[in-house]
Amino acid sequence: DVQLLESGGGLVQPGGSLRLSCAASGFTFNNYAMSWVRQAPGKGLEWVSGVSSSGGSTDYADSVKGRFTISRDNSKNTLYLQVNSLRAEDTAIYYCAKHGGPYYYSFMDVWGQGTTVTVSS
Amino acid sequence: EIVMTQSPATLSVSPGERATLSCRASQSVNNNLAWYQQKPGQAPRLLMFGASTRATSIPARFSGSGSGTEFTFTISSLQSEDFAVYYCQQYNNWPYTFGQGTKLEIK
Repeated sequence: DVQLLESGGGLVQPGGSLRLSCAASGFTFNNYAMSWVRQAPGKGLEWVSGVSSSGGSTDYADSVKGRFTISRDNSKNTLYLQVNSLRAEDTAIYYCAKHGGPYYYSFMDVWGQGTTVTVSS
Repeated sequence: EIVMTQSPATLSVSPGERATLSCRASQSVNNNLAWYQQKPGQAPRLLMFGASTRATSIPARFSGSGSGTEFTFTISSLQSEDFAVYYCQQYNNWPYTFGQGTKLEIK
């Protein structure tokens, strides 16, 4: 059964940091690109960052560029998102998602249940 | 950035009836368009990709059409489990933007 399980969210003060993780199972992780997508409370979906299957190519939304870093460990079947210099507007549920192929310019066919990040003093 | 505009924002339809959702792109995305369904408290679920190809296990009552800048998503006969929020998303140009969503509610 294909599964994505996020962890690492929590309550953090403005300017703080977290590392989000996404453990993948049920598919050949190193064959597929992965992304992080977030959803602020009561709002729509925002694509945050994507990484190719090899990890050699990454991209970021302008809203997080320079503050967030996506990475993956294919030996551990795990995706990461290092989030630094957090702002109130980063408060959201963060979903990891699997793409349909090795590059992130494709649809996302499997989603995790999300991990919640709350930025507040 | 490509702006995706969905209409209507809310659609009220009775079970068994047909629902038609629209999605417009601010510039051409070819057929690189996906549709997702999201129910309260759940993650999004892929329904359609390539504008008109159903994802695995998605029932035939769901269909999609369009190319370029104009897209349509149709549910032919609404079931109770179909009432949810639907998002379109383009994956033609980074950043891969979503529409703001259409809430499909029971009439």
